[in-house]
Amino acid sequence: DAGVIQSPRHEVTEMGQEVTLRCKPISGHNSLFWYRQTMMRGLELLIYFNNNVPIDDSGMPEDRFSAKMPNASFSTLKIQPSEPRDSAVYFCASSFSGGGSDTQYFGPGTRLTVL
Amino acid sequence: AQSVTQLDSHVSVSEGTPVLLRCNYSSSYSPSLFWYVQHPNKGLQLLLKYTSAATLVKGINGFEAEFKKSETSFHLTKPSAHMSDAAEYFCVVSPNTGGFKTIFGAGTRLFVKA
Repeated sequence: DAGVIQSPRHEVTEMGQEVTLRCKPISGHNSLFWYRQTMMRGLELLIYFNNNVPIDDSGMPEDRFSAKMPNASFSTLKIQPSEPRDSAVYFCASSFSGGGSDTQYFGPGTRLTVL
Repeated sequence: AQSVTQLDSHVSVSEGTPVLLRCNYSSSYSPSLFWYVQHPNKGLQLLLKYTSAATLVKGINGFEAEFKKSETSFHLTKPSAHMSDAAEYFCVVSPNTGGFKTIFGAGTRLFVKA
Protein backbone atom coordinates (compact mmCIF):
# COMPACT_ATOMS: atom_id res chain seq x y z
CA ASP A 1 0.00 0.00 0.00
CA ALA A 2 1.41 3.38 -1.01
CA GLY A 3 -0.16 5.21 1.89
CA VAL A 4 -1.62 8.69 1.60
CA ILE A 5 -0.06 10.56 -1.31
CA GLN A 6 0.27 14.33 -1.37
CA SER A 7 1.54 16.61 -4.08
CA PRO A 8 3.46 18.74 -4.43
CA ARG A 9 5.80 18.13 -1.49
CA HIS A 10 7.03 21.71 -1.61
CA GLU A 11 5.43 24.79 -3.08
CA VAL A 12 6.84 28.29 -3.21
CA THR A 13 4.60 30.98 -4.59
CA GLU A 14 4.09 34.71 -4.47
CA MET A 15 1.39 36.52 -2.59
CA GLY A 16 -1.83 36.73 -4.57
CA GLN A 17 -1.27 33.57 -6.56
CA GLU A 18 -3.59 30.59 -6.51
CA VAL A 19 -2.28 27.44 -4.83
CA THR A 20 -3.72 23.94 -5.22
CA LEU A 21 -2.68 21.08 -2.97
CA ARG A 22 -3.61 17.53 -3.88
CA CYS A 23 -4.26 14.38 -1.91
CA LYS A 24 -4.90 10.74 -2.75
CA PRO A 25 -6.22 8.81 0.28
CA ILE A 26 -5.60 5.16 1.01
CA SER A 27 -7.81 2.96 -1.14
CA GLY A 28 -10.87 1.78 0.78
CA HIS A 29 -10.83 4.66 3.25
CA ASN A 30 -13.96 6.76 3.17
CA SER A 31 -12.89 9.66 5.37
CA LEU A 32 -10.40 12.36 4.52
CA PHE A 33 -8.99 15.20 6.59
CA TRP A 34 -6.99 18.31 5.78
CA TYR A 35 -4.75 19.77 8.50
CA ARG A 36 -2.45 22.76 8.71
CA GLN A 37 0.63 22.79 10.93
CA THR A 38 2.50 25.91 12.03
CA MET A 39 4.87 26.65 14.88
CA MET A 40 2.49 29.21 16.32
CA ARG A 41 -0.79 27.31 16.12
CA GLY A 42 0.27 23.67 16.05
CA LEU A 43 -1.85 21.18 14.14
CA GLU A 44 -5.28 22.45 13.10
CA LEU A 45 -8.06 20.50 11.42
CA LEU A 46 -9.28 22.49 8.42
CA ILE A 47 -11.96 20.25 6.95
CA TYR A 48 -13.23 16.69 7.15
CA PHE A 49 -14.95 14.67 4.40
CA ASN A 50 -16.92 11.48 4.82
CA ASN A 51 -17.96 9.57 1.69
CA ASN A 52 -16.78 12.56 -0.38
CA VAL A 53 -19.13 14.94 1.45
CA PRO A 54 -17.75 17.79 3.59
CA ILE A 55 -18.93 17.15 7.14
CA ASP A 56 -17.12 19.80 9.15
CA ASP A 57 -15.39 22.80 7.58
CA SER A 58 -15.42 24.97 10.68
CA GLY A 59 -11.63 25.02 10.70
CA MET A 60 -11.30 26.59 7.26
CA PRO A 61 -9.78 29.98 8.06
CA GLU A 62 -11.65 32.12 5.57
CA ASP A 63 -13.24 32.27 2.13
CA ARG A 64 -9.86 32.20 0.43
CA PHE A 65 -9.67 28.50 1.33
CA SER A 66 -11.77 25.87 -0.41
CA ALA A 67 -11.64 22.09 -0.53
CA LYS A 68 -13.22 19.55 -2.81
CA MET A 69 -13.45 15.80 -3.01
CA PRO A 70 -14.87 14.90 -6.43
CA ASN A 71 -14.39 11.18 -5.88
CA ALA A 72 -13.18 8.69 -3.29
CA SER A 73 -9.60 8.77 -4.50
CA PHE A 74 -8.85 12.47 -4.84
CA SER A 75 -9.15 15.71 -2.93
CA THR A 76 -7.86 19.24 -3.40
CA LEU A 77 -7.28 22.16 -1.08
CA LYS A 78 -7.17 25.49 -2.85
CA ILE A 79 -6.04 28.87 -1.58
CA GLN A 80 -6.95 31.87 -3.71
CA PRO A 81 -5.46 34.40 -3.31
CA SER A 82 -2.59 33.19 -1.17
CA GLU A 83 -1.01 35.34 1.56
CA PRO A 84 2.29 35.04 3.47
CA ARG A 85 0.43 34.00 6.63
CA ASP A 86 -0.75 30.88 4.77
CA SER A 87 2.81 29.55 4.87
CA ALA A 88 2.64 26.23 6.70
CA VAL A 89 2.82 22.48 6.23
CA TYR A 90 -0.48 21.08 5.03
CA PHE A 91 -1.26 17.46 5.81
CA CYS A 92 -3.87 15.19 4.36
CA ALA A 93 -5.00 12.15 6.34
CA SER A 94 -7.47 9.37 5.69
CA SER A 95 -9.25 6.82 7.84
CA PHE A 96 -11.43 3.80 7.23
CA SER A 97 -14.72 5.17 8.53
CA GLY A 98 -14.05 8.51 10.18
CA GLY A 99 -15.29 7.28 13.53
CA GLY A 100 -13.76 8.65 16.69
CA SER A 101 -11.81 5.49 17.40
CA ASP A 102 -10.40 5.21 13.90
CA THR A 103 -6.71 5.61 13.22
CA GLN A 104 -5.86 8.42 10.83
CA TYR A 105 -3.10 7.79 8.32
CA PHE A 106 -1.16 10.89 7.40
CA GLY A 107 0.54 11.83 4.19
CA PRO A 108 4.04 13.34 4.13
CA GLY A 109 2.69 16.87 3.89
CA THR A 110 3.07 19.81 1.53
CA ARG A 111 5.32 22.60 2.72
CA LEU A 112 3.87 25.86 1.40
CA THR A 113 5.84 29.08 1.36
CA VAL A 114 4.09 32.25 0.25
CA LEU A 115 6.47 35.13 -0.40
CA ALA B 1 -16.46 19.62 25.21
CA GLN B 2 -13.07 18.08 24.72
CA SER B 3 -9.55 19.25 25.34
CA VAL B 4 -6.10 17.78 25.65
CA THR B 5 -3.06 19.18 27.45
CA GLN B 6 0.45 17.99 26.99
CA LEU B 7 2.19 19.11 30.11
CA ASP B 8 5.70 19.48 28.68
CA SER B 9 6.65 21.21 25.45
CA HIS B 10 10.15 19.68 25.59
CA VAL B 11 11.58 16.61 27.30
CA SER B 12 15.25 15.68 27.26
CA VAL B 13 16.54 12.25 28.29
CA SER B 14 19.75 10.31 27.94
CA GLU B 15 19.88 7.24 25.75
CA GLY B 16 18.97 4.14 27.74
CA THR B 17 16.95 6.01 30.38
CA PRO B 18 13.15 5.95 30.74
CA VAL B 19 10.85 8.25 28.81
CA LEU B 20 7.72 9.85 30.25
CA LEU B 21 5.56 12.17 28.14
CA ARG B 22 2.55 13.49 30.02
CA CYS B 23 -0.95 14.04 28.68
CA ASN B 24 -4.17 15.06 30.42
CA TYR B 25 -7.52 15.18 28.69
CA SER B 26 -11.04 16.40 29.21
CA SER B 27 -14.01 14.84 27.46
CA SER B 28 -17.78 14.89 27.89
CA TYR B 29 -17.99 11.56 26.12
CA SER B 30 -16.23 8.25 26.49
CA PRO B 31 -13.09 9.11 24.58
CA SER B 32 -10.64 7.39 22.31
CA LEU B 33 -7.10 8.47 23.02
CA PHE B 34 -4.11 8.28 20.72
CA TRP B 35 -0.41 9.00 20.66
CA TYR B 36 1.13 9.93 17.32
CA VAL B 37 4.81 10.52 16.56
CA GLN B 38 6.21 12.93 13.98
CA HIS B 39 9.81 12.67 12.88
CA PRO B 40 11.39 15.71 11.20
CA ASN B 41 9.88 16.52 7.81
CA LYS B 42 7.53 13.56 8.03
CA GLY B 43 3.82 13.03 8.52
CA LEU B 44 2.34 11.77 11.77
CA GLN B 45 2.38 8.06 12.53
CA LEU B 46 0.24 6.23 15.07
CA LEU B 47 2.14 4.91 18.09
CA LEU B 48 -0.81 3.48 20.00
CA LYS B 49 -4.46 4.05 20.81
CA TYR B 50 -6.96 3.42 23.60
CA THR B 51 -10.58 2.68 22.67
CA SER B 52 -12.22 1.54 25.95
CA ALA B 53 -10.67 -1.91 26.08
CA ALA B 54 -7.56 -2.66 28.18
CA THR B 55 -6.36 0.41 30.06
CA LEU B 56 -2.69 -0.40 29.45
CA VAL B 57 -2.00 -0.06 25.78
CA LYS B 58 1.14 -1.26 24.07
CA GLY B 59 2.32 0.38 20.89
CA ILE B 60 5.13 0.24 18.41
CA ASN B 61 8.83 0.68 19.21
CA GLY B 62 8.42 -0.31 22.86
CA PHE B 63 6.10 2.52 23.84
CA GLU B 64 3.08 2.05 26.06
CA ALA B 65 0.46 4.25 27.69
CA GLU B 66 -1.99 3.81 30.54
CA PHE B 67 -5.48 5.24 30.54
CA LYS B 68 -6.35 6.50 34.03
CA LYS B 69 -9.90 7.75 34.14
CA SER B 70 -9.68 8.97 37.73
CA GLU B 71 -6.71 11.16 36.83
CA THR B 72 -7.92 11.94 33.27
CA SER B 73 -4.44 11.06 32.08
CA PHE B 74 -2.90 9.08 29.24
CA HIS B 75 0.85 9.33 29.79
CA LEU B 76 3.26 7.77 27.29
CA THR B 77 6.22 5.77 28.57
CA LYS B 78 9.15 3.75 27.33
CA PRO B 79 11.60 1.93 29.59
CA SER B 80 14.73 2.78 27.63
CA ALA B 81 15.13 5.64 25.16
CA HIS B 82 16.87 5.17 21.83
CA MET B 83 18.38 7.89 19.69
CA SER B 84 15.80 7.14 17.01
CA ASP B 85 13.02 8.12 19.44
CA ALA B 86 13.92 11.79 19.06
CA ALA B 87 10.81 13.31 17.51
CA GLU B 88 7.65 15.24 18.33
CA TYR B 89 4.83 13.38 20.05
CA PHE B 90 1.16 14.31 19.94
CA CYS B 91 -1.57 13.22 22.34
CA VAL B 92 -4.99 13.14 20.70
CA VAL B 93 -8.54 12.84 22.06
CA SER B 94 -11.63 11.94 20.07
CA PRO B 95 -15.19 11.03 21.10
CA ASN B 96 -16.19 7.40 20.68
CA THR B 97 -19.81 8.24 20.16
CA GLY B 98 -21.64 10.72 18.02
CA GLY B 99 -20.09 13.25 15.70
CA PHE B 100 -16.43 13.67 15.12
CA LYS B 101 -14.00 16.22 16.52
CA THR B 102 -10.43 15.11 16.95
CA ILE B 103 -8.39 17.36 19.20
CA PHE B 104 -4.60 17.34 18.96
CA GLY B 105 -2.35 18.39 21.81
CA ALA B 106 0.31 21.01 21.25
CA GLY B 107 3.01 18.37 21.05
CA THR B 108 6.04 17.40 23.12
CA ARG B 109 9.44 17.41 21.52
CA LEU B 110 11.63 14.59 22.81
CA PHE B 111 15.40 15.04 22.74
CA VAL B 112 17.63 12.02 23.31
CA LYS B 113 21.23 12.60 24.35
CA ALA B 114 23.98 10.12 23.62
